[in-house]
Amino acid sequence: AQSVTQLGSHVSVSEGALVLLRCNYSSSVPPYLFWYVQYPNQGLQLLLKYTTGATLVKGINGFEAEFKKSETSFHLTKPSAHMSDAAEYFCAVSKGYQKVTFGIGTKLQVIP
Amino acid sequence: DTEVTQTPKHLVMGMTNKKSLKCEQHMGHRAMYWYKQKAKKPPELMFVYSYEKLSINESVPSRFSPECPNSSLLNLHLHALQPEDSALYLCASSQESLSQAGYTFGSGTRLTVV
Repeated sequence: AQSVTQLGSHVSVSEGALVLLRCNYSSSVPPYLFWYVQYPNQGLQLLLKYTTGATLVKGINGFEAEFKKSETSFHLTKPSAHMSDAAEYFCAVSKGYQKVTFGIGTKLQVIP
Repeated sequence: DTEVTQTPKHLVMGMTNKKSLKCEQHMGHRAMYWYKQKAKKPPELMFVYSYEKLSINESVPSRFSPECPNSSLLNLHLHALQPEDSALYLCASSQESLSQAGYTFGSGTRLTVV
């Protein structure tokens, strides 16, 4: 079965600093990979996704992620953190038909 | 319309009550989902509907009863819930059979069982 591991349940960065949220996946076949963001008391919003093709994926709000098959990783980055980026971030994996598995989430804190 | 709308946003119910959660989308998506999210946890899949038919039930207790009256609507009927069922209930939709497109989530219903 596919799964994802998010390293670090809490990450703190200074405003303007690089954001790096780590995600490693486990899948017996090439997976579909996603990053979602959840603001307090809200649903999840899709940030970006990898399906096939280009391994560097650009998403909304200046985020991007790189699919590295050799490292089974799909880390999320943003060059410069903004206060509005403070939220919970979920990495997710799917092998296809309908079923998506979410990681435990990483809470991002942005320090002014 | 690119939204999934969930009502109500908040619900408090007693253990003997019957209530329903409602979810609506008008994006032409043919797969709809119910997720349960406890505090500080990831969403957990409960049910999947594909073309208005129940395709996945993740061994959810029968006190939760899903219904898909048409391709735009998804309901979750609640009866005789327990306090541990208190959680954020999220509805999502996607293009059928294309989970690689990602989900569109609603804002959720915050359920408290007293």
